Amino acid sequence: GNSVTQMEGPVTLSEEAFLTINCTYTATGYPSLFWYVQYPGEGLQLLLKATKADDKGSNKGFEATYRKETTSFHLEKGSVQVSDSAVYFCALRAGGSARQLTFGSGTQLTVLP
Amino acid sequence: DVKVTQSSRYLVKRTGEKVFLECVQDMDHENMFWYRQDPGLGLRLIYFSYDVKMKEKGDIPEGYSVSREKKERFSLILESASTNQTSMYLCASSKLRTGDTDTQYFGPGTRLTVL
Repeated sequence: GNSVTQMEGPVTLSEEAFLTINCTYTATGYPSLFWYVQYPGEGLQLLLKATKADDKGSNKGFEATYRKETTSFHLEKGSVQVSDSAVYFCALRAGGSARQLTFGSGTQLTVLP
Repeated sequence: DVKVTQSSRYLVKRTGEKVFLECVQDMDHENMFWYRQDPGLGLRLIYFSYDVKMKEKGDIPEGYSVSREKKERFSLILESASTNQTSMYLCASSKLRTGDTDTQYFGPGTRLTVL
């Protein structure tokens, strides 16, 4: 079946530090990959996505590259801000007609001033 | 602005009660989803629907049912609430088939406590 494995949290960084959150997946076919973010007290929002191998998704300074050879989609940001403190979820949608997403367990990020 | 709303942010119920969680979207989306979110487990799909009166089981449907009588509304029903159903419940919706098919839009969540 499909699964997503995310880096265990929580992660605590100082402002302007470099961020990496690891994500690897198992899926049949050619999945689409996503990062969602959940700010305190809110629902999830799409942060970025990539739909085929070697695609790079980017948004708000965050980037992730779809690596088929390593089945990975790691999230990176060069300089985090306090406002980036949130829970980050990696997810996949299996190829074909699948509509539902499979999520990782989430990584709590706290950025200190 | 896209919007998914859920009927309650916080709900407290007693064991054995019948519980209804309502979700409404104003984006004319065909697909709607119910997830539960638990620490360390991420989001797990309970049920989803791709059309009015259509439903499909997700990964953890036991103890839940759903209803979709109108396109914009998707209800999650706990027939007889139990303490292990204490959780955060998230509703989402997405378009059926467009270039943006994959993006799911989420509501703010309902935190349900079953005593």
